[in-house]
Amino acid sequence: AQTVTQSQPEMSVQEAETVTLSCTYDTSENNYYLFWYKQPPSRQMILVIRQEAYKQQNATENRFSVNFQKAAKSFSLKISDSQLGDTAMYFCAFMTITGNQFYFGTGTSLTVIP
Amino acid sequence: DTAVSQTPKYLVTQMGNDKSIKCEQNLGHDTMYWYKQDSKKFLKIMFSYNNKELIINETVPNRFSPKSPDKAHLNLHINSLELGDSAVYFCASSHLPGGPGKTQYFGPGTRLLVL
Repeated sequence: AQTVTQSQPEMSVQEAETVTLSCTYDTSENNYYLFWYKQPPSRQMILVIRQEAYKQQNATENRFSVNFQKAAKSFSLKISDSQLGDTAMYFCAFMTITGNQFYFGTGTSLTVIP
Repeated sequence: DTAVSQTPKYLVTQMGNDKSIKCEQNLGHDTMYWYKQDSKKFLKIMFSYNNKELIINETVPNRFSPKSPDKAHLNLHINSLELGDSAVYFCASSHLPGGPGKTQYFGPGTRLLVL
């Protein structure tokens, strides 16, 4: 069975600073996808970044980057130059190559302080 | 331009009523999903349909019945609503398993409140 763990229920960061959200997962699969989704107060689920497990290079998307450690089964999200609009709930998610079910973590509520 | 749309956005109803939530996607995806997000923000998959066929049916009361008239639509019908059904329900879609992307695109959610 696949599980996803986000151990930080709440975090805060000063505007323009950098913050890292942690995510660990458990699987016996070798190939899979990992995602970070953002859910602002509007409730819309927005894809932030995605990583294929077979790619060693960490994914980046503007101010968002990941630190993917496959052996440690860790997938943390780094947000640089935090902006007020980054205030949201962040969910880490896992999907196997062959499956079609997302396994979500319990979320981290991030507040960017002006 | 909306990729995944849901109606209604808000639904307030009495216990015991029957209600439906509609979902449509215009992304050409083959697979659609329903998720329930409880008050603690935990997201749990309920159903998944691929080309109008049910492929995931998690432990959900049989008062919940999904219906997929075509691969662009997946509706959720709920009979005999209970207080515990109050939640936000998200529809999502993606390409076929094993196909390109695998990314799931979510609708805006439907906030259901059962009184």
